[in-house]
Amino acid sequence: GAVVSQHPSRVICKSGTSVKIECRSLDFQATTMFWYRQFPKQSLMLMATSNEGSKATYEQGVEKDKFLINHASLTLSTLTVTSAHPEDSSFYICSASRWAYEQYFGPGTRLTVT
Amino acid sequence: QKEVEQNSGPLSVPEGAIASLNCTYSDRGSQSFFWYRQYSGKSPELIMSIYSNGDKEDGRFTAQLNKASQYVSLLIRDSQPSDSATYLCAVNIGGKAAGNKLTFGGGTRVLVKP
Repeated sequence: GAVVSQHPSRVICKSGTSVKIECRSLDFQATTMFWYRQFPKQSLMLMATSNEGSKATYEQGVEKDKFLINHASLTLSTLTVTSAHPEDSSFYICSASRWAYEQYFGPGTRLTVT
Repeated sequence: QKEVEQNSGPLSVPEGAIASLNCTYSDRGSQSFFWYRQYSGKSPELIMSIYSNGDKEDGRFTAQLNKASQYVSLLIRDSQPSDSATYLCAVNIGGKAAGNKLTFGGGTRVLVKP
């Protein structure tokens, strides 16, 4: 149980384009989903918290107009990186919370912006 | 002072030995604590959660929590080369009021040598 998927696993896009990443909880309903970013040799950085049917809560310093989060159902959240630039290249990981506390991570999406 | 601190390592242990990892946290009111394992290039995997003082055992893993001293530790018994990874300590600081976010330590890299 507690399986979370992400799609795509890897994406290369050109500077200025937008990229959408999907996060799905496959075998449970996720009350909350989280989006993280991880640069090489660094720890996870929380970008935003999303609850189904509500606006996402962004961490300080994360541009909400650049990183659009939609949490349309209890099993699906999407992150759209708009007008991507090379500095947005990173490993994006979502997690889903089954109960109030434990978070289960998806396999991650490696984004490269050329 | 960082909210969750870990020794970055690497912690080098011979195969079959016990690996001991420590984590300290700053918020005395924290109630939920987690250990994640992250292989290079992969997303974190939940291996232990602990909520009460004392020890919690799961297979070769034992988590220890001491809220009075504000530390949580992880023991890996009979260490195997496949245990070589970065271990992330995560603390739910702020609880439901803060959206049940997890604050991660920087991780301890463990190397198990055959």
